[in-house]
Amino acid sequence: EAEVAQSPRYKITEKSQAVAFWCDPISGHATLYWYRQILGQGPELLVQFQDESVVDDSQLPKDRFSAERLKGVDSTLKIQPAELGDSAMYLCASSPGTGVLEQFFGPGTRLTVL
Amino acid sequence: QKEVEQNSGPLSVPEGAIASLNCTYSDRGSQSFFWYRQYSGKSPELIMSIYSNGDKEDGRFTAQLNKASQYVSLLIRDSQPSDSATYLCAVTGGGNKLTFGTGTQLKVEL
Repeated sequence: EAEVAQSPRYKITEKSQAVAFWCDPISGHATLYWYRQILGQGPELLVQFQDESVVDDSQLPKDRFSAERLKGVDSTLKIQPAELGDSAMYLCASSPGTGVLEQFFGPGTRLTVL
Repeated sequence: QKEVEQNSGPLSVPEGAIASLNCTYSDRGSQSFFWYRQYSGKSPELIMSIYSNGDKEDGRFTAQLNKASQYVSLLIRDSQPSDSATYLCAVTGGGNKLTFGTGTQLKVEL
């Protein structure tokens, strides 16, 4: 069964350090999303890619967060420097695109900033 | 006003009963509606999508949509302990951006 892959599954870091998360979407899915989910809340979209292009990054804190999907397949989300408030689950999702709207999530990366 | 509202619960139902989960949304232009199930510490899992007014059934799950009332619900028949989870309502707005509610925690009791 096709799944979205993410790594690492867990990351503990100290504030001011840099962290990076990786996502490999379901094969053939053109649209890739990064979400942040704080405990007790719903996921919040950080960035959306269509192939290698950014479609929506309006909620991405661009002073410290960056995201790329260079070849239109896998993607990396980076935080530098990490802050205590960044502790959350970082979720990657993908969808086929072109009118198909269902999004399928990977297992997520649980980030703890100390 | 939140864009997508859900009662946080917990909603407790006995095993075998019908669980009814509700969601309201503020954007009248919303076109697509989804229900995700999320177990504690896990990622959301898509269980239902609905795009037009009325009911959509899939096994023990029924999604109901009323665009005039800006209301979407999920019914779970013959609830099982394995259904105990948080259920997230998600709605698309402009640009097909998906907005989630905060989720309703469901507990199915033996």
